[in-house]
Amino acid sequence: QVQLQQSGAELTKPGSSVKISCKASGYTFTSYDISWIKQRPGQALEWIGAINPGSGGTGYNEKFKGKATLTVDKSSSTAFMQLSSLTPEDTAVYYCARLRYYNYFDYWGQGVMVTVSS
Amino acid sequence: DVQMTQSPSNLAASPGESVSINCKASKSISKYLAWYQQKPGKANKLLIYSGSTLQSGTPSRFSGSGSGTDFTLTIRNLEPEDFGLYYCQQHNEYPYTFGAGTKLELK
Repeated sequence: QVQLQQSGAELTKPGSSVKISCKASGYTFTSYDISWIKQRPGQALEWIGAINPGSGGTGYNEKFKGKATLTVDKSSSTAFMQLSSLTPEDTAVYYCARLRYYNYFDYWGQGVMVTVSS
Repeated sequence: DVQMTQSPSNLAASPGESVSINCKASKSISKYLAWYQQKPGKANKLLIYSGSTLQSGTPSRFSGSGSGTDFTLTIRNLEPEDFGLYYCQQHNEYPYTFGAGTKLELK
């Protein structure tokens, strides 16, 4: 069965960077884009961007350009998102999700809580 | 960006009842709206895409309707496992955007 297993919670300081992972299993990793989505408490989900694991090609929400960098490691079927220059506004749960051709998300990871605090 | 306005924010109902959740887009998104369920400790679940197409495994008591700017998720004969958060998402154009969510609670 399709699974997206995300890395554990992170506690980081303002100004630092963090890299979280999303390991895919149960399907051919290079056949579907992986998206990342942010959820702050009480706020709407926000789409950050997507990466094509086969080509490494990426697309970002303008709001997150310069903040998020998406990469993959095909050998381990793992997608990564690095968040840089962290501020308290980056404190959120971050999800990875498999993106279907018509741009909806059919499988989600369990989410990673990233807390930015001094 | 397409703004998605979801209503109501909160909804209380009892098992066996039917409920509807609405989602309004700030511009036409054709039929391209998805609905998700979110529950604590579980991965978010895709229920419906392209407005009315049930994802494999979604019970038939769920239905979606609408096109253009106005969409509705209807749940008939509520089951105990249906209580949770529901989000809509437009999948018509970049950047994909979500509604703020509807919390369906047990009355």
